[in-house]
Amino acid sequence: GENVEQHPSTLSVQEGDSAVIKCTYSDSASNYFPWYKQELGKGPQLIIDIRSNVGEKKDQRIAVTLNKTAKHFSLHITETQPEDSAVYFCAASSSGAGSYQLTFGKGTKLSVIP
Amino acid sequence: KAGVTQTPRYLIKTRGQQVTLSCSPISGHRSVSWYQQTPGQGLQFLFEYFSETQRNKGNFPGRFSGRQFSNSRSEMNVSTLELGDSALYLCASSLAVGGGNIQYFGAGTRLSVL
Repeated sequence: GENVEQHPSTLSVQEGDSAVIKCTYSDSASNYFPWYKQELGKGPQLIIDIRSNVGEKKDQRIAVTLNKTAKHFSLHITETQPEDSAVYFCAASSSGAGSYQLTFGKGTKLSVIP
Repeated sequence: KAGVTQTPRYLIKTRGQQVTLSCSPISGHRSVSWYQQTPGQGLQFLFEYFSETQRNKGNFPGRFSGRQFSNSRSEMNVSTLELGDSALYLCASSLAVGGGNIQYFGAGTRLSVL
């Protein structure tokens, strides 16, 4: 089955700096890669996603890049703010079997220091 | 539109008991997936239901079961509870259309087994 590795497990940045979180996946059939943000006491919230036919996607301060050959995708957050502090999860999914099971990385705890 | 609703938010049970958790998906969503979240194992897929049928199942013992009703609401049941079943149980719903599966999570049910 699919295996997703996520690094780093913790990340501290100064407010205004950029943060980068990296993930690798093992199943070449995976074609959908979402990123979720989870705040304390809440469920994961989708912040951005990318499909395998796209190399990069941006939404304001957030961007995701995908390298299908290397089976690698990354989340980039620019101009970080204290409210960006949370745990971020990457995930991979294959729709080939008619079911959309998400396999998650272990998460990155991001702390933005004011 | 209302989001994914999970009830109850918190549960305390003792070993050997059974528990039923409920999930109401976003209106119009036909797929419901369940995940277990623990500090050690992270987010792990339990099962997915679509049109009242289980489409996919993760690597969990038979004590974990679920079902989906005709209105897409779903329940999951854990029988003969063990201490290791203490976790946050998350439900996610999706339209389940082709080309990728955008999943929206509820806030979860925190289960503590004593």
